[in-house]
Amino acid sequence: EAGVTQFPSHSVIEKGQTVTLRCDPISGHDNLYWYRRVMGKEIKFLLHFVKESKQDESGMPNNRFLAERTGGTYSTLKVQPAELEDSGVYFCASSQDRRKTSGRSYEQYFGPGTRLTVT
Amino acid sequence: QQPVQSPQAVILREGEDAVINCSSSKALYSVHWYRQKHGEAPVFLMILLKGGEQKGHEKISASFNEKKQQSSLYLTASQLSYSGTYFCGTEYGQFYFGTGTSLTVIP
Repeated sequence: EAGVTQFPSHSVIEKGQTVTLRCDPISGHDNLYWYRRVMGKEIKFLLHFVKESKQDESGMPNNRFLAERTGGTYSTLKVQPAELEDSGVYFCASSQDRRKTSGRSYEQYFGPGTRLTVT
Repeated sequence: QQPVQSPQAVILREGEDAVINCSSSKALYSVHWYRQKHGEAPVFLMILLKGGEQKGHEKISASFNEKKQQSSLYLTASQLSYSGTYFCGTEYGQFYFGTGTSLTVIP
């Protein structure tokens, strides 16, 4: 079974440009999460999709960030326009539907991340 | 709301033991533990769901004390492969990772 994949693995852009990150979750996983780790600090939650719906986007830093998950499969995270402080590693994770795990908390499977550098 | 971990960093020699603590200011209903090696994705280690419950994963185990709102991760007879940053995590609506503990095992 393929794991969570992310594209690109690295992206270097100039301030003011636009970048789109992609995440393909594990097949059958309804939950999809985006996280960001900046400068080796803690991993911060950005948002959570359940299928194509945004369950929680309270972690999105501002309206320069737009996430979509059309059709409930892969997801994209667009940053427009990018700022210097957006640099970091963006991780995507997926997990099963809570109902399939008897309502209990569930492990998340992480992708390899996209390292974004804004210069 | 972010769980706080201690210590922030620890260096061990192979074969030594370590304990990583995770504390929350809010009630904990479940605790996740993940390990992230440098330049790689976080990898799930275990989930604890009940108070006082201990789960194990090879020579890594954990406990969860709901009353104290704490969880501890125990690494026994550490191996070089244990090096990395360990994160606890929990859900308060969204998922919150802890502050992280950098663990380095040296020969």
